[in-house]
Amino acid sequence: DIQMTQSPSSMSASLGDRVTITCQASQDIGNNLIWFQQKPGKSPRPMIYYATNLANGVPSRFSGSRSGSDYSLTISSLESEDMADYHCLQYKQYPLTFGSGTKLEIK
Amino acid sequence: EVKLVEYGGGLVQPGASLRLSCEASGFTFSDFYMEWIRQAPGKGLEWIAASRNKANDYSTVYSASVKDRFTISRDTYKSILYLQMNTLKPEDTAIYYCAREVRDWGQGVMVTVSS
Repeated sequence: DIQMTQSPSSMSASLGDRVTITCQASQDIGNNLIWFQQKPGKSPRPMIYYATNLANGVPSRFSGSRSGSDYSLTISSLESEDMADYHCLQYKQYPLTFGSGTKLEIK
Repeated sequence: EVKLVEYGGGLVQPGASLRLSCEASGFTFSDFYMEWIRQAPGKGLEWIAASRNKANDYSTVYSASVKDRFTISRDTYKSILYLQMNTLKPEDTAIYYCAREVRDWGQGVMVTVSS
């Protein structure tokens, strides 16, 4: 199975900060990675497809990138509505595997 | 508009069975892979089962944690995805989501396994 190691598990940042969350894949997944945002009591919402492609309706302050086996989600200027949990998912092969999640709080 | 609505959750005792349903609309059901994903209270997301599309004979895949206990199936005429859950354990307690190719998600349904 492909392991997705996500970091950090939680973080606190100020409004306007640049925030980066990372997932490392244990095997090659190509760019077959999705980033989700999940707010309390809600279903996960896809934010980034295929590692770097912004989903419809997602603000342009969100971006995805890849460096080798490391995949990153970056928020260029944090807004209050970005407070949420973030999850990565590899869909290169079954079993699909998620990262352990990042809880993003606003200072 | 893609819509997925899960139902059938509830409180059951360990060892019991339960069947979840997910009504799909707004797309051609047979064309898409469908997934079940769960989230235990306060925990991360766990993929548990997939039903491939018609082109792939609706073949199924399971996570090790549910294999041999859970069965994913579909009624293609009614556009309903099912998850038959047998021999339930307390660790199966979670919100269960159905998803279309992990891109479109339902609202989820709670399953609690407790005596």
